[in-house]
Amino acid sequence: AQSVTQLDSQVPVFEEAPVELRCNYSSSVSVYLFWYVQYPNQGLQLLLKYLSGSTLVESINGFEAEFNKSQTSFHLRKPSVHISDTAEYFCAVSDSGGSNYKLTFGKGTLLTVNP
Amino acid sequence: DTEVTQTPKHLVMGMTNKKSLKCEQHMGHRAMYWYKQKAKKPPELMFVYSYEKLSINESVPSRFSPECPNSSLLNLHLHALQPEDSALYLCASRMGLAGSNEQFFGPGTRLTVL
Repeated sequence: AQSVTQLDSQVPVFEEAPVELRCNYSSSVSVYLFWYVQYPNQGLQLLLKYLSGSTLVESINGFEAEFNKSQTSFHLRKPSVHISDTAEYFCAVSDSGGSNYKLTFGKGTLLTVNP
Repeated sequence: DTEVTQTPKHLVMGMTNKKSLKCEQHMGHRAMYWYKQKAKKPPELMFVYSYEKLSINESVPSRFSPECPNSSLLNLHLHALQPEDSALYLCASRMGLAGSNEQFFGPGTRLTVL
């Protein structure tokens, strides 16, 4: 069984400040890792994913996440946030084996960017 | 076309009503999912279809009845719902049931049961 822990339920920051949203996972098998973002009253959008290869993955809007196998972490970072980044962020994991139909989500982190 | 569409956007129904939610994708994906999301919570998996066949039912009450008429379309039929079933219902699709591909989510249907 897998589990995902997002340590912070809410993260308030000021505009243009850096931010880190933390995600730790637990799994007995190799995993794929994802960050999804959900803006108010919308569905989930994939922000970035780690499947294999380079442990640092980047999104087109300035977010990045680093897979750290020894610490079982996949923290999300952005060096300078905008008001428009205000949203709920979900970390998710699926196993990379044959039965990886299921995403296991963390409880989410609400990022609020203040002017 | 790289999106998942859902209709209606909002739905209000009484406990004796019968209604349906609709989800459509034209990306050629062969796995489709229904999730339920309560406020300030992550999505909870309800059903998974693979190649138009029901693969997974996560012990969902029978008042929710999924249907996959073809590879592009997924319905969720609702009957005799309870107020606690009020939630955002999300549809997602994926290229196949296994593999490294991510799930693509629709915008959801906001359901209110009175």
